[in-house]
Amino acid sequence: KNEVEQSPQNLTAQEGEFITINCSYSVGISALHWLQQHPGGGIVSLFMLSSGKKKHGRLIATINIQEKHSSLHITASHPRDSAVYICAVSPNTGNQFYFGTGTSLTVIP
Amino acid sequence: DAGVIQSPRHEVTEMGQEVTLRCKPISGHNSLFWYRQTMMRGLELLIYFNNNVPIDDSGMPEDRFSAKMPNASFSTLKIQPSEPRDSAVYFCASRVLDTWHSNQPQHFGDGTRLSIL
Repeated sequence: KNEVEQSPQNLTAQEGEFITINCSYSVGISALHWLQQHPGGGIVSLFMLSSGKKKHGRLIATINIQEKHSSLHITASHPRDSAVYICAVSPNTGNQFYFGTGTSLTVIP
Repeated sequence: DAGVIQSPRHEVTEMGQEVTLRCKPISGHNSLFWYRQTMMRGLELLIYFNNNVPIDDSGMPEDRFSAKMPNASFSTLKIQPSEPRDSAVYFCASRVLDTWHSNQPQHFGDGTRLSIL
């Protein structure tokens, strides 16, 4: 049983395209996190959300608590955005994260 | 500010050998997490500590795995004896867990890439 589901698993886009990655979860949460991992690299926290929308540069993250769904959008995508994007949730109980399996994004010049 | 520091970055060893992975959390962070990442299973929580005390070790695969946190600035993950199926990237992360249990992001180390031959 996966508490967090992401789609798509793999995504290839042309430079400049608008990209959306989706995340659905099945547990009650106190926060949802979007993480970025470059090939061979470490993991960086992009956003932490408990409601509404957050924006950082070309990245936008939204969450709908009632529908248990979040989206990560990348506007004007660039090859340097190529990475694995991971959705994770902090459940209402406990201190741990539940992770999605990640979305591998490749942006072609 | 120094981030979460893990060592070694890479480890290659033969099966049956003992492997020790090390982590130094960010100063002031009082929760520490050990994760394993594989292509097949993605990121999996192995164990986490609050204030140096192990809280949930249900993710530890078997008795060959053990983790300690002797003080607030150091933790180890040990595998003895190691097996080829233990090959993965092991991440350590830390965060602040305050008295209100408000959400703070986890900060990840660069990981240890472990290969068991």
